[in-house]
Formats: sequence, C-alpha cells, structure tokens
Amino acid sequence: AQSVTQLDSQVPVFEEAPVELRCNYSSSVSVYLFWYVQYPNQGLQLLLKYLSGSTLVKGINGFEAEFNKSQTSFHLRKPSVHISDTAEYFCAVGGGSNYKLTFGKGTLLTVNP
Amino acid sequence: NAGVMQNPRHLVRRRGQEARLRCSPMKGHSHVYWYRQLPEEGLKFMVYLQKENIIDESGMPKERFSAEFPKEGPSILRIQQVVRGDSAAYFCASSLGQGGSYEQYFGPGTRLTVT
Repeated sequence: AQSVTQLDSQVPVFEEAPVELRCNYSSSVSVYLFWYVQYPNQGLQLLLKYLSGSTLVKGINGFEAEFNKSQTSFHLRKPSVHISDTAEYFCAVGGGSNYKLTFGKGTLLTVNP
Repeated sequence: NAGVMQNPRHLVRRRGQEARLRCSPMKGHSHVYWYRQLPEEGLKFMVYLQKENIIDESGMPKERFSAEFPKEGPSILRIQQVVRGDSAAYFCASSLGQGGSYEQYFGPGTRLTVT
C-alpha cells in the first residue's frame, strides 16, 4: 500500500520569497513521484516528476523537487514565487507497474503582494 | 492536440436522479482513469479502463456507480440514484500506456452538486 502526507494544508508567502512545500510518502515498492498544480476550477497540471536518475528534478514555472529516499520525502521548492503561483499543489506517488496514483490532501499556496 | 475533454463541467442533480459524466481522452490514448475529489481531500482513484474493458474498479463504490469505455465514443461514469455524499469533483485522466512511468493527463473535471 502507498500513502502520501503533505505536511502543510496552507502556506502563505509574500511575492518573491522562497517557498518549500513538503511531501512525505510511504511505499513498499520502488516509487515514481509527481507534483501537480491545480488552479481554481481547473484540472491538474503536471509540474514535475521523478522516475529514476538524478534526485533533483526540475519542472515547469521554475519549480524543482528533490527525491530523498532515506527520508522518504519529495519536497517542492521555488526560489522566488509570483502572485500567479497561487494554487493548490498535490504530491502523488505511483510505483512500477502500478498505474494508480495516490495523492496527498494538497497544499494551498497563497502568494501575497 | 486537444487535451482530455470532460463534460459537463458542472452538473446539478436532485437526490435520486442519475448523473452521467463523459470523458474523451487525448488523441492516441487508450487508457482512461477516473478519480474523485471530495472537498478538502486529495484525488482518490476510482477505476481504470481500456477500450471495452474495465481493468481495475477497486476504488469504485460497490453500488450505484458504473463506468464504461466503449469502442467508439467517450468514457462514461454513471452514478445512479445520487445522494448528497456524491457531491464532488470527478476527474478523468488518460495515458499512452499502462504503468507508473506513463504520465496521466487530467481533464478539467466535472463538478457534481447533489441537492
């Protein structure tokens, strides 16, 4: 069984500040890890994914995440946020032949001017 | 290349009515997944289908819910005799292949409200 814990339900930050959204997972098999972003009343858009290889993954819109196997974490970071980054962010885990994605409950990032 | 299409975007049903949600996968994709998002929750897997086959429906409630993906036309998620607890956003995703490495592309969702 797999599970995902997003440690913060809400993260308010000021524009141009750095941000880290935390994600921890548990899985009995090797994992693939994903971050999705959901803007209000829209579907999910893939930000980045880790399948294998380098543990530092770069995604769209200046986001990056680091896979840490020993800490079972996949935290999302951005060095300087914009107002337009305000959205809900979901961490998800899949594994091997497992097509089911298991999602965390989401973190609402609010960027204030 | 059009993305995953879902309609309707918003659906209001009274208790006891039927809800039909449609999903057209991306061109060339033959793998379809349905997820449900309850308020303040993450998405939960419901069912995985390929053309004319239900591969995994382990996340579907045992009663009132059904899904299909016919040879021609969109995938349909059907909810019979809706109850207030069915109010949620229902997302469809599609992928090119089966397995965790294949990216799932999500549609905009159908927001179902049961009154």
